[in-house]
Amino acid sequence: EDQVTQSPEALRLQEGESSSLNCSYTVSGLRGLFWYRQDPGKGPEFLFTLYSAGEEKEKERLKATLTKKESFLHITAPKPEDSATYLCAVQADETGGFKTIFGAGTRLFVKA
Amino acid sequence: GAGVSQSPRYKVAKRGQDVALRCDPISGHVSLFWYQQALGQGPEFLTYFQNEAQLDKSGLPSDRFFAERPEGSVSTLKIQRTQQEDSAVYLCASRPEGVYGYTFGSGTRLTVV
Repeated sequence: EDQVTQSPEALRLQEGESSSLNCSYTVSGLRGLFWYRQDPGKGPEFLFTLYSAGEEKEKERLKATLTKKESFLHITAPKPEDSATYLCAVQADETGGFKTIFGAGTRLFVKA
Repeated sequence: GAGVSQSPRYKVAKRGQDVALRCDPISGHVSLFWYQQALGQGPEFLTYFQNEAQLDKSGLPSDRFFAERPEGSVSTLKIQRTQQEDSAVYLCASRPEGVYGYTFGSGTRLTVV
């Protein structure tokens, strides 16, 4: 069964304190791994898609990396506006490549 | 419009009442998805449409849940005889064909009292 596990559940950082969020996944035939950002009261906002081990994507202070078993979302010198829940998700061959399985998310709090 | 639009944003229903939640996807997106998100959890898959065809409804919790997309654009998620455990945020998403991320709407927060 496809599974996505995110850690930590919550992370509190000081502004400028870099850190990483982890996403471990178990799937049969990964088609894509996704990172989303979700603000309170809003739907998830798409950030990145990673397709194969070794791939990296960057956007402003965020960098996503992928191995065969896990993905990391690195946050460099975070600002208070980076506070949100970050969701990891996968699409797999087993589910026909269209159903996206989400993790429970990491709630990030960045204090000024 | 430019994004996925959902209505209503909030719905309070008495237990046993029927509700209908609407989703307007991005124009041209053939794929449409419904997800359910409980507080503090990630979204969970409910159902998937490709144009007007419902290709997967394996995530619908019970036969009280029904979704349709009759003309391949607007979709409606209907919940009959609502129960307290149906309280959640219902998210609609659309995307182009291929392995792409979704564009989500802001969701409908359903509270059953």
